[in-house]
Amino acid sequence: AQKITQTQPGMFVQEKEAVTLDCTYDTSDPSYGLFWYKQPSSGEMIFLIYQGSYDQQNATEGRYSLNFQKARKSANLVISASQLGDSAMYFCAMRRNAGNNRKLIWGLGTSLAVNP
Amino acid sequence: DVKVTQSSRYLVKRTGEKVFLECVQDMDHENMFWYRQDPGLGLRLIYFSYDVKMKEKGDIPEGYSVSREKKERFSLILESASTNQTSMYLCASSRLHEGAQYFGPGTRLLVL
Repeated sequence: AQKITQTQPGMFVQEKEAVTLDCTYDTSDPSYGLFWYKQPSSGEMIFLIYQGSYDQQNATEGRYSLNFQKARKSANLVISASQLGDSAMYFCAMRRNAGNNRKLIWGLGTSLAVNP
Repeated sequence: DVKVTQSSRYLVKRTGEKVFLECVQDMDHENMFWYRQDPGLGLRLIYFSYDVKMKEKGDIPEGYSVSREKKERFSLILESASTNQTSMYLCASSRLHEGAQYFGPGTRLLVL
């Protein structure tokens, strides 16, 4: 069965430092996609970054990068130079690229607090 | 920019009432989704739709129904609200074969 695991319920980081949020996944599909979303206290889920299973390079999007280790089935989110506005819940999600490819499988999230 | 709007940010209803939550997207996306989010349980898919008048059950469809009469609009209906349906409801949309889902601001529903 496909599954996303986020083992860190909460993380703290000092402003301006980098932080890594862990995500491991389980799938037997050869082709899949991995996503990270941010959910501030306001509630809206914000799409941050995407990595395809066949992408050769790790995805980057501004201060966000995805450390994709396919053999380890991990897709960790790295936030560089943390800002106070990065305090939020972060969710990792996976999509199958075959068959029913519309639905996402979600992790339970990691709460990140950025300290001034 | 993709924009997904939901009819209410906060809603208070009484047990037994029929509740309508509406979602509108302006990016011509084929897929639309309704989730509920509860502490410790993450996001759970209630229903989704991949075309007008088409719908598929998600993981927790019991007690809910949906309607998609127009491509841009996807409604979630609680036929007879119960206290265990108190939750945060999130609507999302995506292109037919692309995974990135774009979310609305959410509706916090309280059923008394």
